[in-house]
Amino acid sequence: QSVLTQPPSASGTPGQRVTISCSGSSSNIGSNYVYWYQQVPGTAPKLLIYRNNERPSGVPDRFSGSKSGTSASLAISGLRSEDEAGYYCAVWDDSLSGPGFGGGTKLTVL
Amino acid sequence: QVQLQQWGAGLLKPSETLSLTCAVYGGSFSGYYWTWIRQPPGKGLEWIGDINHSGITNYNPSLKSRVTISVDTSKNQFSLRLTSVTAADRAVYYCARPLTTVTRLPAYWGQGTLVTVSS
Repeated sequence: QSVLTQPPSASGTPGQRVTISCSGSSSNIGSNYVYWYQQVPGTAPKLLIYRNNERPSGVPDRFSGSKSGTSASLAISGLRSEDEAGYYCAVWDDSLSGPGFGGGTKLTVL
Repeated sequence: QVQLQQWGAGLLKPSETLSLTCAVYGGSFSGYYWTWIRQPPGKGLEWIGDINHSGITNYNPSLKSRVTISVDTSKNQFSLRLTSVTAADRAVYYCARPLTTVTRLPAYWGQGTLVTVSS
């Protein structure tokens, strides 16, 4: 049972904009920064977004994050075939006293 | 450039103890919380616990009774021990480090170690 709730799958065609949602509670998203990770099968997760909407060096500005209340979203614009991967949201959970993760969303580029 | 390299036994029998070590190259070792996370095949990520350079630990309550995380600052390494493993502990185990010293969510990850539990 994941701390955060994500849709199991999402899809889009090249060039499209897709969004992935992440739902939490007042003890996590409602009071802490949201992070997003991209994971290609067989590899370690890669940090995409930190502190709700900041991108680490090297992450294209096609990726953006937002947060409102106890929910967050990751948006990918100008979808590319190489964006096909799993995406995970994460946040500090005050109840867990540790990081909580979403169950992951598998993005398919049609 | 921060790199984490991990190693340990990948095949265990039920009731044995899982033992993994993660070496950190580049960047400072002090000031950060060093984290272990696992991912069962085809499933999501689960925080196991973390430790700082002073040895202060924090564990996921669901695993706390079986987990020990330790640190060796002389070698810039930290380790994970998980006792009494079962098939439910089959997962890829990752070590990780946050982006800065003021956060504890992972940014840099080890390559992962698949641990299988089978008699």
